[in-house]
Amino acid sequence: AQSVTQLGSHVSVSEGALVLLRCNYSSSVPPYLFWYVQYPNQGLQLLLKYTSAATLVKGINGFEAEFKKSETSFHLTKPSAHMSDAAEYFCAVSGSGGGADGLTFGKGTHLIIQP
Amino acid sequence: EPEVTQTPSHQVTQMGQEVILRCVPISNHLYFYWYRQILGQKVEFLVSFYNNEISEKSEIFDDQFSVERPDGSNFTLKIRSTKLEDSAMYFCASSLLAGTNEQFFGPGTRLTVL
Repeated sequence: AQSVTQLGSHVSVSEGALVLLRCNYSSSVPPYLFWYVQYPNQGLQLLLKYTSAATLVKGINGFEAEFKKSETSFHLTKPSAHMSDAAEYFCAVSGSGGGADGLTFGKGTHLIIQP
Repeated sequence: EPEVTQTPSHQVTQMGQEVILRCVPISNHLYFYWYRQILGQKVEFLVSFYNNEISEKSEIFDDQFSVERPDGSNFTLKIRSTKLEDSAMYFCASSLLAGTNEQFFGPGTRLTVL
């Protein structure tokens, strides 16, 4: 069984400040981990993924995430927030055991950017 | 850039009616998925489909739901007798390989059951 916990349903940062969105996972098998972003009235767009290669993963729009097995975490960061980053962010996990695994999502974090 | 498309964008139906939600996955993808997101809640996996059969399904995917790939391009989700609690955004996704499971999502269909 897998689960994802995202701490903070809402995170507010100032434009230009560091963005940190937290994600902790639970998985009985080596996980694949993903961050998706959802802009208003749109679908989910993949930001980045961890698939057992490098533990520091770089994604689109300047985001990156670090896989820490000892902490079962996969936190998302961006050094300098931009107004266009305002959106809902979802962390997701799937098993690496093969097959068409469904993704297990966290509840999401709404990122608010203050001017 | 190839993308997953879904129709309609918004479907309104009466309780007890059947609805069919349609998706066109990315053309060379082999794995197809449906998810739902009830307003204000997290995205939940419903079902995955590979090689013309269901690969995995969640406990949400009960007998009122069915999926089909009627031709080489469409992937449909049928809800036989809709309930008020079926009101949600339904997302279709597809992936090329199951290995990394990188899934590409469509824009969603908002289903409103009255």
